[in-house]
Amino acid sequence: SQQGEEDPQALSIQEGENATMNCSYKTSINNLQWYRQNSGRGLVHLILIRSNEREKHSGRLRVTLDTSKKSSSLLITASRAADTASYFCAAPSTSGTYKYIFGTGTRLKVLA
Amino acid sequence: NAGVTQTPKFQVLKTGQSMTLQCAQDMNHNSMYWYRQDPGMGLRLIYYSASEGTTDKGEVPNGYNVSRLNKREFSLRLESAAPSQTSVYFCASSSKDRGSYGYTFGSGTRLTVV
Repeated sequence: SQQGEEDPQALSIQEGENATMNCSYKTSINNLQWYRQNSGRGLVHLILIRSNEREKHSGRLRVTLDTSKKSSSLLITASRAADTASYFCAAPSTSGTYKYIFGTGTRLKVLA
Repeated sequence: NAGVTQTPKFQVLKTGQSMTLQCAQDMNHNSMYWYRQDPGMGLRLIYYSASEGTTDKGEVPNGYNVSRLNKREFSLRLESAAPSQTSVYFCASSSKDRGSYGYTFGSGTRLTVV
């Protein structure tokens, strides 16, 4: 059962621009996570936002969570070529706190 | 380096062969997971282990078995490989210490079944 779905599927921007990716989910959650995956590598945890937080920052990353719309967004400011990767949101499964369901990801390409 | 170690990194199997994917973590995490990643499908949970001594099915458990050997190790076994099991397999672990459920992933095993 798909819990998190990212939009857009692919995004291509110039270095220095901001990149925004969105995630929608289906059921009430108490937190949501974002991950990055470089080509051929495992996923790396970026940030976790809880349901009582509307916004959270980590370096050039800004994550928002709107529980009323069941959506989250990841903003990468002043993007760099090294930010080229796939980005996934992950929301808790409806059947267990320890299980997270991942979306299909947004493929971001930052052009130098 | 602390983290999740998966072996092997690459494997080619013939249909019907069996193999075990190994995973070990050295972060004292309670929970461990096996995911598979296919193009356009994202990551799908195969099995997970919330704590040592317990295992549960995920979204796509058919054709797989797991063993939580101890707190560090969680293996995934394919008893009779099928071409549909061609995928990249990721092991992950997590701890709910300090209320964080962030996963640490291994680097993956790329499996081809011919």
